[in-house]
Amino acid sequence: QVQLQESGPGLVKPSQTLSLTCTVSGGSISSGGYYWSWIRQHPGKGLEWIGYIYYRGNTYSNPSLQSRLTISIDTSKNQFSLKLSSVTAADTAVYYCARATPRRIIDYWGQGTLVTVSS
Amino acid sequence: DIQLTQSPSFLSASVGDRVSITCRASQGISSHLAWYQQKPGKAPKFLIYTVSTLESGVPSRFSGSGAGTEFTLTISSLQPEDFATYYCQQLITYPLTFGGGTKVEIK
Repeated sequence: QVQLQESGPGLVKPSQTLSLTCTVSGGSISSGGYYWSWIRQHPGKGLEWIGYIYYRGNTYSNPSLQSRLTISIDTSKNQFSLKLSSVTAADTAVYYCARATPRRIIDYWGQGTLVTVSS
Repeated sequence: DIQLTQSPSFLSASVGDRVSITCRASQGISSHLAWYQQKPGKAPKFLIYTVSTLESGVPSRFSGSGAGTEFTLTISSLQPEDFATYYCQQLITYPLTFGGGTKVEIK
C-alpha cells in the first residue's frame, strides 16, 4: 500500500518561497510509470492541479503557476518536493502530494497540509 | 485548459434517495473522466474512472455514464456514508482539471 506524507512549514510570509516535501512509502518512487504530483485546494474551494515530476526528472507544471514553480525529486530518499516562489495570500491552501497513473488517475493522495501565507 | 462544470453545486437529499450529479466539459473528452469523493478534512478518494469503471471496493450503488462533453455520476440509494463532496476530473490531457464540486448533504 503506497502512502504519501507532506511536510513543511504551515506558515509562509508574503513574497517568500513555499517549500514542501512529500515522502513516499510502500513503494519506490523510481519504479516508473507514475507521475508524482502536487494538487492544492483553497479553503472551501475545489481542486487545482499544480504539476508533476517523473522519476527521471521530467516535469510538467500548470501554466498558471509555471513561472513560480519548481518541482524536484530525490530518488535516494523516495521524496519529491515543491517550491513556489513569491507567494501571496492567494496561495493559502491545503497542499496535497499525490500519485497519478499513466491514465492520469490520482490513485493515492497524502493527507494534505495547510499552508497559510501571512505576515 | 479543459474546463469542467458540475451541477448542481449543492444537493440536499435523504438516505435512500437516488441522486445524480452532472459534469460538463468545455470540449470533447471521449470517455476520459474520473470521479472522486471527498469528506471534510480528508483527501479525495478515487471512485470511478473512464466514465463508468468502479475502483475496487467502491459500492455498486455508484455508477457513471456519459461520453464526449456530458457525464453523470449516480448514487442509486444514498447511504449515510455517501454524504460528501464529489468532483469530476478529466483524464485526457495535462494540465489535469477538476470540476468545482457537488456537495451532497442530508435533508
